[in-house]
Amino acid sequence: GENVEQHPSTLSVQEGDSAVIKCTYSDSASNYFPWYKQELGKRPQLIIDIRSNVGEKKDQRIAVTLNKTAKHFSLHITETQPEDSAVYFCAASRAAGNKLTFGGGTRVLVKP
Amino acid sequence: GAVVSQHPSWVICKSGTSVKIECRSLDFQATTMFWYRQFPKQSLMLMATSNEGSKATYEQGVEKDKFLINHASLTLSTLTVTSAHPEDSSFYICSARVRLDEKLFFGSGTQLSVL
Repeated sequence: GENVEQHPSTLSVQEGDSAVIKCTYSDSASNYFPWYKQELGKRPQLIIDIRSNVGEKKDQRIAVTLNKTAKHFSLHITETQPEDSAVYFCAASRAAGNKLTFGGGTRVLVKP
Repeated sequence: GAVVSQHPSWVICKSGTSVKIECRSLDFQATTMFWYRQFPKQSLMLMATSNEGSKATYEQGVEKDKFLINHASLTLSTLTVTSAHPEDSSFYICSARVRLDEKLFFGSGTQLSVL
């Protein structure tokens, strides 16, 4: 089955700096890669996703890149703000709407 | 967007009792729902895939007789934790899709504490 590894497990950045989280996956058949933000005790919220036919996608301060050959994808958050502090999860699946395999999560702390 | 409601949001029960968690799609029909479990400070782990009108598909290592899943209608899936023990204490969360190849919508989660 699919295995998703995520690094780093914790990330502390100064407000205004960039944050980068990296994930690798094992199943070459995976084609859909969402990123979620989760606050304590809350449901995961989809912040951005990318499909395998695209190498990069951007939405305001958030961007995701995908290298399907190397089986890795990354989340980039620019101009970080304190409200970006949360746990971020990457995930992979064979198609959107299919079962997701999550990475281990990254706890991001943005210091004002 | 689509709304997935989960109930209860938290429950405390005694060891040995059973607890039922409901997951409802409020404004769409969900032929498939997924159940995840999340231990404190850990990731979400898929427990099972719930298919309307048929038996659930459980992930390896998940006891189907302990975690009973019923998807009796297109808008409701239930997870029953039978004979709960303290090690079953966790955050349980469901997700559903409107149709294949579209993103999943997550329920609000249920925090289960077994004393």
